[in-house]
Amino acid sequence: EAQVTQNPRYLITVTGKKLTVTCSQNMNHEYMSWYRQDPGLGLRQIYYSMNVEVTDKGDVPEGYKVSRKEKRNFPLILESPSPNQTSLYFCASSFQSGGLYNEQFFGPGTRLTVL
Amino acid sequence: GQSLEQPSEVTAVEGAIVQINCTYQTSGFYGLSWYQQHDGGAPTFLSYNALDGLEETGRFSSFLSRSDSYGYLLLQELQMKDSASYFCAGRGNTPLVFGKGTRLSVIA
Repeated sequence: EAQVTQNPRYLITVTGKKLTVTCSQNMNHEYMSWYRQDPGLGLRQIYYSMNVEVTDKGDVPEGYKVSRKEKRNFPLILESPSPNQTSLYFCASSFQSGGLYNEQFFGPGTRLTVL
Repeated sequence: GQSLEQPSEVTAVEGAIVQINCTYQTSGFYGLSWYQQHDGGAPTFLSYNALDGLEETGRFSSFLSRSDSYGYLLLQELQMKDSASYFCAGRGNTPLVFGKGTRLSVIA
């Protein structure tokens, strides 16, 4: 089954404790992206990657890191989480960065709470 | 940069037709997409318009006017299961940017 998976789905942590949210897709997509969703603010892009070893900042990259060592994986790293990073996080992938057909496939989401 | 504006909430009656508008400002423009998100779920792709005009997919249609920087999603024969948030998303010189979403409530 073609899908984007994220782990963990739920996480409660404390300020300053490094964490990683994993994202994996099995569709051989070049493009992967991370979004955070907060009430009233919609989906805001954190980082994106157009292919292996190529990553770029989105609209709200502060406090986050990413890596793209393999095509299928795109982990999101919070080196020192803070309460303002409490949010719902989505990973997404597509065949290209957009192009003429930019259907993005989203993972199920990770609900993160930072105390 | 890019920005997309859409109404925050819309309420419509079951069986009726509803239109959700989206206006955008972007430097460069490659197309407008629509996504649906049910409470507790992930966004799912509905439609994409790269050119002006209407695209129809079953009960859902999407329209784009690039000269007016405007698009809309049209939902016909509304069903209770259509209650969800709907996002327009545009791509210009930077990757996909989403509007803040329109929450559609379908009432009996």
